[in-house]
Amino acid sequence: QVHLVESGGGLVQPGGSLTVSCAVSGFTFNAYAMHWVRQAPGKGLEWVAVISYDGTSENYAGSLKGRFTISRDNSNNVLYLRMTSLGSDDTATYFCARHMKGYGRALDYWGQGTLVVVSS
Amino acid sequence: DIQMTQSPSYLSASIGDRVTITCQASQDVMKYLNWYQHKPGEAPKLLIYGASNLQTGVPSRFSGTGSGTDFTFTIDSLQTEDIATYYCQQYDRLPNTFGQGTKLDI
Repeated sequence: QVHLVESGGGLVQPGGSLTVSCAVSGFTFNAYAMHWVRQAPGKGLEWVAVISYDGTSENYAGSLKGRFTISRDNSNNVLYLRMTSLGSDDTATYFCARHMKGYGRALDYWGQGTLVVVSS
Repeated sequence: DIQMTQSPSYLSASIGDRVTITCQASQDVMKYLNWYQHKPGEAPKLLIYGASNLQTGVPSRFSGTGSGTDFTFTIDSLQTEDIATYYCQQYDRLPNTFGQGTKLDI
């Protein structure tokens, strides 16, 4: 059974940094690209970043490039998102999601998210 | 970036109703259009991929049509468990982008 569990969210001060994690199980992690998607309170879904199955390729939402870094540890089945220079606009629930194989242009399994609050 | 416009933003319906949501892309996305269901506190769920393909395990009362810039998502015979927010997403090109969501209520 596919399982994705985010962790590491919490309260962080403006200008600060935080890394959130996504532990996966139930599938061959190193065979799948992975995504981060976020949802600000009361708002819709916003795609954040994607990383290739082997970690050699990354792509980011334009507004986040340079501040956010997606990475993965295929030995331990964990996906990461490093966030720096955080502002109140970054307050959101952060979801990890698996890139669908075959069709390849959808996110077929998601976690329940971890909440990041940027506030002083 | 490709803009996705969903309508309506809010929809109130009754059990057993047929419900339709539309999604319009600012550019041609061919058939690279997906629909997701999201309930508060839960993981979003992929329902439809490639505009009209039902994801494995999803009830057949859910369906999708369209191509290019105009897409439709339908729930035949609305059930209580369908109360959620629904999002379209284009994945023709990065950054993939979501519609603003349609909150469905009874």
